[in-house]
Amino acid sequence: AQTVTQSQPEMSVQEAETVTLSCTYDTSESDYYLFWYKQPPSRQMILVIRQEAYKQQNATENRFSVNFQKAAKSFSLKISDSQLGDAAMYFCAYREMNYGGSQGNLIFGKGTKLSVKP
Amino acid sequence: DAGVTQSPTHLIKTRGQHVTLRCSPISGHKSVSWYQQVLGQGPQFIFQYYEKEERGRGNFPDRFSARQFPNYSSELNVNALLLGDSALYLCASSLAFGAGNTIYFGEGSWLTVV
Repeated sequence: AQTVTQSQPEMSVQEAETVTLSCTYDTSESDYYLFWYKQPPSRQMILVIRQEAYKQQNATENRFSVNFQKAAKSFSLKISDSQLGDAAMYFCAYREMNYGGSQGNLIFGKGTKLSVKP
Repeated sequence: DAGVTQSPTHLIKTRGQHVTLRCSPISGHKSVSWYQQVLGQGPQFIFQYYEKEERGRGNFPDRFSARQFPNYSSELNVNALLLGDSALYLCASSLAFGAGNTIYFGEGSWLTVV
């Protein structure tokens, strides 16, 4: 079974600085998707960024970028120029490709709580 | 356009009771999934429905059931509530079937079982 591990329960960053959140996963599949979701106190899960495993290029969304290392099964999130609004729980998630069967549910890690200091 | 909407937002139930949680997907979305998030953990998959048919089920007991209606809204039902069922229940929708479709989450229903 696929698993997702986030080894940093809590992280802290100074406003305007850069922080990297770690995620590792375990799968025997070669095609899959990886995601980072943000969950602020409102509890709504918000998609931050996604990566298709077949793409070698790391995904980027404005201040958010990933370092995808497929062989190492590592998928870290880098937040540049951190802002107070970035403070939230961040979840790494895995989803296998659909080949006509189940869509493939999201498998989440336990999350990393990010604090941003002014 | 409205996002995924869930009701109720908060509720308190007694052990042994039954609960029904409701979800309206984003307009045009035909796939709905349910997740349970226990405090301090990541969400866990419960069910996925597409075009009113169950397409996936997580490792949850038969006390948990769901259905999807012709308008693509969905209900999650939990019978014989246990203290351990206390959690945030998240509904998510996507445009169509297939892992390439982005999943959008609602704000969840907080269930407390006493």
